[in-house]
Amino acid sequence: GQNIDQPTEMTATEGAIVQINCTYQTSGFNGLFWYQQHAGEAPTFLSYNVLDGLEEKGRFSSFLSRSKGYSYLLLKELQMKDSASYLCAVRDETDKLIFGTGTRLQVFP
Amino acid sequence: KAGVTQTPRYLIKTRGQQVTLSCSPISGHRSVSWYQQTPGQGLQFLFEYFSETQRNKGNFPGRFSGRQFSNSRSEMNVSTLELGDSALYLCASSLVQASLGQVFGPGTRLTVL
Repeated sequence: GQNIDQPTEMTATEGAIVQINCTYQTSGFNGLFWYQQHAGEAPTFLSYNVLDGLEEKGRFSSFLSRSKGYSYLLLKELQMKDSASYLCAVRDETDKLIFGTGTRLQVFP
Repeated sequence: KAGVTQTPRYLIKTRGQQVTLSCSPISGHRSVSWYQQTPGQGLQFLFEYFSETQRNKGNFPGRFSGRQFSNSRSEMNVSTLELGDSALYLCASSLVQASLGQVFGPGTRLTVL
């Protein structure tokens, strides 16, 4: 079966660092995506990992370990506008995107 | 360039009715995917269309169907609506491969009473 797990909710303080974990078990693996979704808005693309290792893009970094079926999204220097849901999604062997249920992050001042 | 547009943005229907939702992809994008988003299940893949053909399909009942026109615009239809069909329906477009470079539309919020 297809299974993607991520924490339901996380809280953090402005200026801090937060790590959102994602573990997956899918039929085939062709890459892992992270999306950000503000309440009432469309998901927007944050990162794509297909090889093991860390991808850094400004304040956001994403890590992948294919052997462990594990990824994390690291957000540094948190800002209030980072309060949103973060969706982990795996591209399976048929090119379908399988999403986790998302992690709702609340950033407090 | 204009983003992905979806119409209508909000819809209220009653059980047993049918509904058609529309999605206009970004100009030049030929792949359109549809997703259902609910609080409990998250985003779930419905189907993907490319060049007017259904290229991929999720695990939804046959009441959910779709089509794509020659201008890449897509529609999805849900027949015999059930209360559990209440959700945000998102479409996403990309150039060729469904998942790469996918841009989401704002969604249609469907409420079934």
